[in-house]
Amino acid sequence: EDQVTQSPEALRLQEGESSSLNCSYTVSGLRGLFWYRQDPGKGPEFLFTLYSAGEEKEKERLKATLTKKESFLHITAPKPEDSATYLCAVQTGTASKLTFGTGTRLQVTL
Amino acid sequence: GAVVSQHPSWVICKSGTSVKIECRSLDFQATTMFWYRQFPKQSLMLMATSNEGSKATYEQGVEKDKFLINHASLTLSTLTVTSAHPEDSSFYICSASGQAQETQYFGPGTRLLVL
Repeated sequence: EDQVTQSPEALRLQEGESSSLNCSYTVSGLRGLFWYRQDPGKGPEFLFTLYSAGEEKEKERLKATLTKKESFLHITAPKPEDSATYLCAVQTGTASKLTFGTGTRLQVTL
Repeated sequence: GAVVSQHPSWVICKSGTSVKIECRSLDFQATTMFWYRQFPKQSLMLMATSNEGSKATYEQGVEKDKFLINHASLTLSTLTVTSAHPEDSSFYICSASGQAQETQYFGPGTRLLVL
């Protein structure tokens, strides 16, 4: 059974204080690893897809990386508007469904 | 691009009634749609996967007679919660993916409260 574990559960940063969120996975046959951002009371917003170890993708202050066992979401100089829950999910085998981690709740304060 | 809408965004109903939630892909053809539910401070739990024109595939533990899913066109899927009870109160979110793309794009969610 596919397992996805995210850490930390919650993270509080000051504006400008860079950090990383972790997503560890145990799966057979990874097809893709996805990062989403979810604001309270809303659906997840797509951020990145990573397909193979060594791959990196960037968008504004966010950078996602992938190894064979985990993915990191690096947040550089965060702003209060980056506050949200960040979810990672894996897609495996021939199925198109996603298995989600429990998320990291990020709060960025002034 | 890749916009998914849901309607309604909020619904309150009495116990025993049925509620229908619509999920639409606005700017792409969704060959596959997914339905999730999310409890407070928990992650998304997949309920079912539906391909256009086919019967939905339900996850283990999800009652297919209670949660009816229809995916009659490439832009519309519906979830009907039949004979709703208070324990069905939750946040229901759909997602859609198109042909030859792996990414699921999510709708804004529907909050259901059963009294």
